Amino acid sequence: GNSVTQMEGPVTLSEEAFLTINCTYTATGYPSLFWYVQYPGEGLQLLLKATKADDKGSNKGFEATYRKETTSFHLEKGSVQVSDSAVYFCALIRLNSGYSTLTFGKGTMLLVSP
Amino acid sequence: NAGVTQTPKFQVLKTGQSMTLQCAQDMNHEYMSWYRQDPGMGLRLIHYSVGAGITDQGEVPNGYNVSRSTTEDFPLRLLSAAPSQTSVYFCASSTGNSYEQYFGPGTRLTVT
Repeated sequence: GNSVTQMEGPVTLSEEAFLTINCTYTATGYPSLFWYVQYPGEGLQLLLKATKADDKGSNKGFEATYRKETTSFHLEKGSVQVSDSAVYFCALIRLNSGYSTLTFGKGTMLLVSP
Repeated sequence: NAGVTQTPKFQVLKTGQSMTLQCAQDMNHEYMSWYRQDPGMGLRLIHYSVGAGITDQGEVPNGYNVSRSTTEDFPLRLLSAAPSQTSVYFCASSTGNSYEQYFGPGTRLTVT
C-alpha cells in the first residue's frame, strides 16, 4: 500500500539556520506529493505541492523537489524564523473510486528559537 | 467565507456515551472528510463523502457513523464512545478537481 515516512522530531534550530525535513514515500503509480503545516492550536494548511517527477513546489521560502528515483520529497528552507515553529506533515494523494484521499506521514515538529 | 468550521472545540465524554461532532463548510465543496490525529500517528482517514447522500469508509471507520444530507454539513457520530477514541478530530473539504484540502480547526475529544 501507500505510505509516507518522515524524520522524527522535534527538530530544534536557531533563527536563520538551514532546515531540512526528510520525507520518503511508497506508492503505486505516480502520486502527487504535498507538505502541510499545522501551527499550534490550528488545523492543517497546505504549504506546497508537486504533481510530477522533478517538479519543485515552493511557498513562503520553503521548497521541496519531487524525486522519483529516490522516492523522496524533502522539505527545505534556507533561513528559518521563529514563526516557522509548527508541525510539518508530508503527504501523498491516492485515488479511491475517483476521490483523492491523502496519506499522511506522522509529522515532524520544528522548534525555532531566537 | 468562514471556510470549514467545527464544533465543539473541546469535549469530554464518559465511556458508552454518544455524541455528534459537527462540521460545516461554506465553499460549496463536493468532497468532505473526517480525520483523527493521534500522537506519533499522523492523520488517519475515518470517513469521507463525495457529495450529498454519498459516503464511504476510510482507514479507521469502526465506531463512527456519518451522513451527508446537504453539501454544507458532514457530521461525525460516535455511537458508544470508548477511551481509544480519545483524539483530535479534523474535518476537511475540497473541490472535485482540487487536490488541496481545507481543514477545520479541530475538535479535541477525551473519553474517560
